[in-house]
Parts: sequence; structure tokens; C-alpha cells
Amino acid sequence: GQNIDQPTEMTATEGAIVQINCTYQTSGFNGLFWYQQHAGEAPTFLSYNVLDGLEEKGRFSSFLSRSKGYSYLLLKELQMKDSASYLCAVTDTDKLIFGTGTRLQVFP
Amino acid sequence: DVKVTQSSRYLVKRTGEKVFLECVQDMDHENMFWYRQDPGLGLRLIYFSYDVKMKEKGDIPEGYSVSREKKERFSLILESASTNQTSMYLCASSQNREETQYFGPGTRLLVL
Repeated sequence: GQNIDQPTEMTATEGAIVQINCTYQTSGFNGLFWYQQHAGEAPTFLSYNVLDGLEEKGRFSSFLSRSKGYSYLLLKELQMKDSASYLCAVTDTDKLIFGTGTRLQVFP
Repeated sequence: DVKVTQSSRYLVKRTGEKVFLECVQDMDHENMFWYRQDPGLGLRLIYFSYDVKMKEKGDIPEGYSVSREKKERFSLILESASTNQTSMYLCASSQNREETQYFGPGTRLLVL
């Protein structure tokens, strides 16, 4: 079956580093996406991992281990505007399966 | 930039009404998707389409139908709205099946 797990909520302080984990089980895995969604808005693309390893993009990095069915999103130098939900999504044959999202609150 | 637009941001309908949600993308994408998003359940795929006049059921198609008469437009139809269809509806498009999906702003539907 298909299953994606990520923490429901996390809190962090402005300027800190936070790691959001995602574990998954799918039958036809091709790659893993991370999306950011601010309250009341549409999800926006952050990263896409196909191969094992770390992909860095500015303050955000995403890691994938296909053998472990595991990914994380790393956010550095947190800013207040990073308060949002972060959605992990995996490709399963011909569609995306989304996790329920991790709501991150950044405090001053 | 990819632009995906949805016909309404907010919609209030009565039980039993027929509801049309329209989605238009301007990037000539092959693939279009309809999701609903509910607290604690995440995004769930209702229907998707890989080509004009083509549709595939997602994970929760019951109570919904879709239409794709033109490449840029993908419509979601609630034949007879029910209160359990109160939700946020999100449309998305992508060029290829494995590529990034771009989302519209969403339609928050309330069925009374």
C-alpha cells in the first residue's frame, strides 16, 4: 500500500535550523517533492529529489534515501515568513501521493 | 511563470445543487489534476487527465466528474453537492507525469 508519514507540527526560533522528516512506502516510486503552503494559499514547489543525496537550494536543502524510504527538508536561518505547512509528496507510478503536511511555526 | 487559475476563490452552494469548478492553465501542460484538501487528511486526488477528452479516477472520485474539452481547461463537476463535499479544492498542472505540479489558488467550497 501507500503510506507517507511526517510530523504534524513543529516549532522553531527565528534564525535557527529545523529538519522536517518524511518517511514513505509506495510501490512505484520515482521521486519525492517538497512543497510549501502558507495558510489559505496554494502549495508552491520547493524541491524534487530523484537520486539519493542532498540537494541544496539557498536556505533550503532536501535529502533522499531511496533504500530507507526517507527524506528530510532542512531549513536554515529561519525567518518568520517560513511559518507554513510543508508537504512531502511521492510519485507513485503516474500520480503524486501527498503526506498530511507538517505545520511549522517560527517564533521571534 | 506557470499560471493556473481557478474560477472562484470562495463558493457557497446548497445541498443537491450542481456545482462547476473551472481550472485554466496557460503553459500548454499535458497533465491536469483536481485535489481536495481537508484538515488532517492532506491533499487527496479526485481525478486527473493526461490529454484532452481523457480522464482517470484518482483516490476519491465518488460524487465527482470531470471534463477536459480543451487542453488548457479542466472542470470538476459535483453533480449533486452534499455537505461532506465542503472542502478546499485545488487544481494543478504539469508538463510530464513525473514533473513538478503547479497549483492554482484553490476554491473554498461550502455546501449548506
